[in-house]
Order: sequence, then structure tokens, then C-alpha cells
Amino acid sequence: DAGITQSPRYKITETGRQVTLMCHQTWSHSYMFWYRQDLGHGLRLIYYSAAADITDKGEVPDGYVVSRSKTENFPLTLESATRSQTSVYFCASSELAFGSNQPQHFGDGTRLSIL
Amino acid sequence: AQKVTQAQTEISVVEKEDVTLDCVYETRDTTYYLFWYKQPPSGELVFLIRRNSFDEQNEISGRYSWNFQKSTSSFNFTITASQVVDSAVYFCALAIGTDKLIFGTGTRLQVFP
Repeated sequence: DAGITQSPRYKITETGRQVTLMCHQTWSHSYMFWYRQDLGHGLRLIYYSAAADITDKGEVPDGYVVSRSKTENFPLTLESATRSQTSVYFCASSELAFGSNQPQHFGDGTRLSIL
Repeated sequence: AQKVTQAQTEISVVEKEDVTLDCVYETRDTTYYLFWYKQPPSGELVFLIRRNSFDEQNEISGRYSWNFQKSTSSFNFTITASQVVDSAVYFCALAIGTDKLIFGTGTRLQVFP
């Protein structure tokens, strides 16, 4: 089925570990995004990508690394996880950038707990 | 400063009541886009509507309607005859330029039978 898929749906890990969250979309959208959702903050942008091999920082990029070697994939890596990175992570994609009327389509989210 | 404010943290209504979710935004840009998303208890984010800054027409889609008023920088969302399935967190978002999509903190709507 066409859409945007995140994996895993749930992940528990320990502080200091590296963890990678996967995101795959089948629409061939140019833009992909990673957000984190925390109580009281709504959704905050971590990183985004305008195309393969083009990435840029969002509002809260510290502690995260992204790559986009293929248009359809946009993995997010926490190089050394900290408890403050416990959150729900959403991947999204859209045909055009923010300043357009194209909505972003979201994955189902990954609930990450760091102990 | 660019900002989206959803002052209502949580709203509870009884089924069949009408309910309005408020969204107030701040921007100095003249071109921008506004969105509403729904996040049901299952957790996914569902796109509901978009509106650009040059189109102040209100929109109705079934039981949902949106009132965009540039004069008050508001983009309010009304659900008529609410149903239990409308229970969710609703997010308003503002898109500006090429590098910003700003979400409000969300309003949790609980509809009781």
C-alpha cells in the first residue's frame, strides 16, 4: 500500500546507546521531515530533507543525525541516546516545502523510551 | 515572532453538542498557510484542512467547518453535533516560507456519550 511507514512502532533502549528510527514513503515526495511530540510542546521539527542528499536542521536538531541517500527513505539516528530524547517521533512527507498549501502526511509514529 | 496558540488545553462535551476549537496565529508574513490535523487515540496524525492567507472563505465539510479571519489572526474549527469518534487531539499549524511549520500545542477534545 502507498503511504509512509515508520519502524519500529515502539522501542525501549538505554542511555548512551545508538538507535535508528526508520521512515519509508512510497509517494516519491520530495520533502521528508522528522518531528518529536512531547506533552506541552506539540510537534517540534528535528530535521528535514528537500531531496536525496539534502538535509537541514529544524528547531531541535541536537543529538540527532539524519541521512537521505534515497528519496524514499529518511532514517533518524540518535547517536548516544539520553533520557530527554524519550518521546514520540513522527516522520512526514510532502510534495512541496512548508510554504505551500501541500499538507504533510504523517507516519503512525515511533514511541521511544530511553531508560 | 511566529507562533500558534491553542489556548484550550482540553474540552469536554456531551455527544451532539457543537464545539469550537480556537487557533490564533502570529506572523508578519503576508503569504502563509494554515492547517488542522487530528490525532485520534491511536496516535496517527490525520490532515483535515489547509487554507492559504489569501483565501478567507469559510469552509464546511460535513459536520466540520472552519472560520478563517485575518483581522483577528484566527483559524477556528467547529464540529457540529459532535460524536464520540471526534474525541482526539486537534492541532493547528502555520506554514511560512521554506523552513517553518509551526504547530500549536493541541487541544484535547473528549466527547462523552
